[in-house]
Amino acid sequence: AAGVIQSPRHLIKEKRETATLKCYPIPRHDTVYWYQQGPGQDPQFLISFYEKMQSDKGSIPDRFSAQQFSDYHSELNMSSLELGDSALYFCASRPGFRSVEQYFGPGTRLTVT
Amino acid sequence: AQSVTQLDSHVSVSEGTPVLLRCNYSSSYSPSLFWYVQHPNKGLQLLLKYTSAATLVKGINGFEAEFKKSETSFHLTKPSAHMSDAAEYFCVVSERPGNEKLTFGTGTRLTIIP
Repeated sequence: AAGVIQSPRHLIKEKRETATLKCYPIPRHDTVYWYQQGPGQDPQFLISFYEKMQSDKGSIPDRFSAQQFSDYHSELNMSSLELGDSALYFCASRPGFRSVEQYFGPGTRLTVT
Repeated sequence: AQSVTQLDSHVSVSEGTPVLLRCNYSSSYSPSLFWYVQHPNKGLQLLLKYTSAATLVKGINGFEAEFKKSETSFHLTKPSAHMSDAAEYFCVVSERPGNEKLTFGTGTRLTIIP
């Protein structure tokens, strides 16, 4: 079965640089969520999109932005990177309003040096 | 506001013995509850979910959980641990219909002793 695809899987950036993470949801899933998991931490909700509109916002820094495109893939743009942004970034998708479970991608490990 | 508390940060059991990972939740609404598992350097895999149907929920790999509203608990159990069960387990709550952002517990690291 198709799963959530995230790219790249690993990314190394320097402080103050910019990064773009991509997420391709499971086909026919219309809702995408982004989570950040710091080292030894539990995942924290960042932002979500439903039908290409932002549906909820969590603890996402102003330096980050995201959008969902017409093909339902989503991109998380991160600017002015800081050392503390080093984390595992997960994307999850949900099959529709009748479903509650989210299916997670493998994550993108971002290292800021 | 919704939250979950995982009562043990680390659980060790011997292979072949029962597993119990404890979780208590707090929610203003009727919550949906999940257990996710994360193996080292891997993504999050859904083990099972509760969505106001049967209170005893069966998941993958022999795991199950029981929703107890009176105790606000959703403990995860497995009759017989296997070495491959060693991982981090997250109890997760989703509350408000229409969005369902997930709130994670702090995780329980399960170690299996050979």
